[in-house]
Amino acid sequence: EIVLTQSPATLSLSPGERATLSCRASQSVSSNLAWYQQKPGQAPRLLIYDASNRATGIPARFSGIGSGTDFTLTISSLEPEDFAVYYCQQRSSWWTFGQGTKVEIK
Amino acid sequence: EVQLLDSGGGLIQPGGSLRLSCAASGFTFSSYGMNWVRQAPGKGLEWVSAISGDGERTYYADSVKGRFTISRDNSKNTLYLQLNSLRAEDTAEYYCAKEMGRKQPFDYWGQGTLVTVSS
Repeated sequence: EIVLTQSPATLSLSPGERATLSCRASQSVSSNLAWYQQKPGQAPRLLIYDASNRATGIPARFSGIGSGTDFTLTISSLEPEDFAVYYCQQRSSWWTFGQGTKVEIK
Repeated sequence: EVQLLDSGGGLIQPGGSLRLSCAASGFTFSSYGMNWVRQAPGKGLEWVSAISGDGERTYYADSVKGRFTISRDNSKNTLYLQLNSLRAEDTAEYYCAKEMGRKQPFDYWGQGTLVTVSS
């Protein structure tokens, strides 16, 4: 089973700052990596698929990069609604998720 | 508009059974693979099971294999998850999720249905 490790566990930032989230796979997943955002009491929302493609309706401040084992989600300038938990997901073998990174208000 | 409506959760004793449903609308249901993902209280996301659009292929996480069964009725646009031999560690919010395309990530999710396994 491919294990995804996200870092940091928590990111404390202020609105307007840049957020950089990391996801590392235990073996190569090529570009088969997605990112989701989840707010309390809500279902997850797809942000990025195939490592770097924004899903429909996702603002341009969200971007993804990476291939193989190392991936990054960047939020260029945090909006108040971006404070949430972010998960990466791989599909090279059957689906697995990372443990999540919480982006909280500093 | 794509909608997924999860239902069927509740309080069940250890060893018991439950069937979850996910009513889909707004897309050609039979053309898409569907999944169940769960989230224990305060924890992260765990993929549970998947089924192909035609229902011919099913897949399970090791943690539920042999106890849970995924199925679908394309004539009713409904996805199911039969949960048997329930354990306390199966307590979670269960979400159905639609694949964007074959083996693609999940672009739409249900609102979730809570399963609580407790005596």
